[in-house]
Amino acid sequence: NAGVTQTPKFQVLKTGQSMTLQCAQDMNHEYMSWYRQDPGMGLRLIHYSVGAGITDQGEVPNGYNVSRSTTEDFPLRLLSAAPSQTSVYFCASSGPERNTEAFFGQGTRLTVV
Amino acid sequence: GDSVTQMEGPVTLSEEAFLTINCTYTATGYPSLFWYVQYPGEGLQLLLKATKADDKGSNKGFEATYRKETTSFHLEKGSVQVSDSAVYFCALSGNTGRRALTFGSGTRLQVQP
Repeated sequence: NAGVTQTPKFQVLKTGQSMTLQCAQDMNHEYMSWYRQDPGMGLRLIHYSVGAGITDQGEVPNGYNVSRSTTEDFPLRLLSAAPSQTSVYFCASSGPERNTEAFFGQGTRLTVV
Repeated sequence: GDSVTQMEGPVTLSEEAFLTINCTYTATGYPSLFWYVQYPGEGLQLLLKATKADDKGSNKGFEATYRKETTSFHLEKGSVQVSDSAVYFCALSGNTGRRALTFGSGTRLQVQP
């Protein structure tokens, strides 16, 4: 049971570099999202998608891009990394109903120096 | 907009003590309410949920009741174990089409033997 798989688990970037955080789910969920977790702030929504080809911004979208070409994959791109993007990133997926469980990946710990 | 407020941590308890973690929310209409738990080095996983007023969610000895009149969803457990040490997040899923979860800041629980 793979569930939601995120890669890499850890990454160190230099300021200005770009990279893509990968997220894949095998539950055929339409809804996928990216959060960042910072100390004392809980999880904040970066971008989300309600299905292949449809994405939208969350609370903190600046500096991040997403695309959703398939139901399974939802990569998050950092265009030009900044120290403020040092965080732990979580991808999640969930089924069609509002009250269903969200399944989370194990997270990517990103440090920008 | 939607918001969730939960008590600051860390909460340190001895094994077999009673646990309460307070959570209050602000949202329009009737959101669904959740408690998620994050064990060290892992992603979040659903602990329990409630989808309408007066519902009680329960799992692994934890309970929380959806109180519409006080806009609260406090987490309780009668006798904690060392294995309950984790970070606990209260969250809600509101009535917008966005389907995102709004999280509280998290409460770290440390249970000592």
